Amino acid sequence: DVKVTQSSRYLVKRTGEKVFLECVQDMDHENMFWYRQDPGLGLRLIYFSYDVKMKEKGDIPEGYSVSREKKERFSLILESASTNQTSMYLCASRQGGATEAFFGQGTRLTVV
Amino acid sequence: AQSVTQPDIHITVSEGASLELRCNYSYGATPYLFWYVQSPGQGLQLLLKYFSGDTLVQGIKGFEAEFKRSQSSFNLRKPSVHWSDAAEYFCAVGAPNFGNEKLTFGTGTRLTIIP
Repeated sequence: DVKVTQSSRYLVKRTGEKVFLECVQDMDHENMFWYRQDPGLGLRLIYFSYDVKMKEKGDIPEGYSVSREKKERFSLILESASTNQTSMYLCASRQGGATEAFFGQGTRLTVV
Repeated sequence: AQSVTQPDIHITVSEGASLELRCNYSYGATPYLFWYVQSPGQGLQLLLKYFSGDTLVQGIKGFEAEFKRSQSSFNLRKPSVHWSDAAEYFCAVGAPNFGNEKLTFGTGTRLTIIP
């Protein structure tokens, strides 16, 4: 069974902390994505990566960075967490072309 | 750039009634189209997808969707809903060209089922 695994289901962090959200996929997919989900706003793309060490900004990259050192792992980094980054974060992977994206279970991050 | 509109924020239907969730997209050619479902506290699960060919596609859990190019729509339907269908539903669009692999999602429709 294909799988996208996010390292934490729930996280509570303090304002100003550096936060790492980790995502691993076991499908050898080229493309990986980080979305943020907020009520009424749907899923908004933060960053995506189409290859190891390659990344592109999505629609809301401000305050975030990413790292992809290995094909199976894609990390989202909040350099200095703020309360407005409290949200659900969803990781996804996709091979590309006529294929669907597979999602992790999500990480609910609360910044206090 | 592609975009998706789900005009209904919240829909309530009775168990056993039929369901239609609306999705409109904006893209210059025929896009890839998807419907995903999210149960509370969970990730997204694919219900169905359209890439090309037959415009009526069947998915899991008894759902179907119809691609209508003339209306730029990809509405999701189910003839008889079950209480377990209560969830949030997302329509998504992808561009069928190499190098643009991101999916763009709508804002979602929350479905409530009443007995």
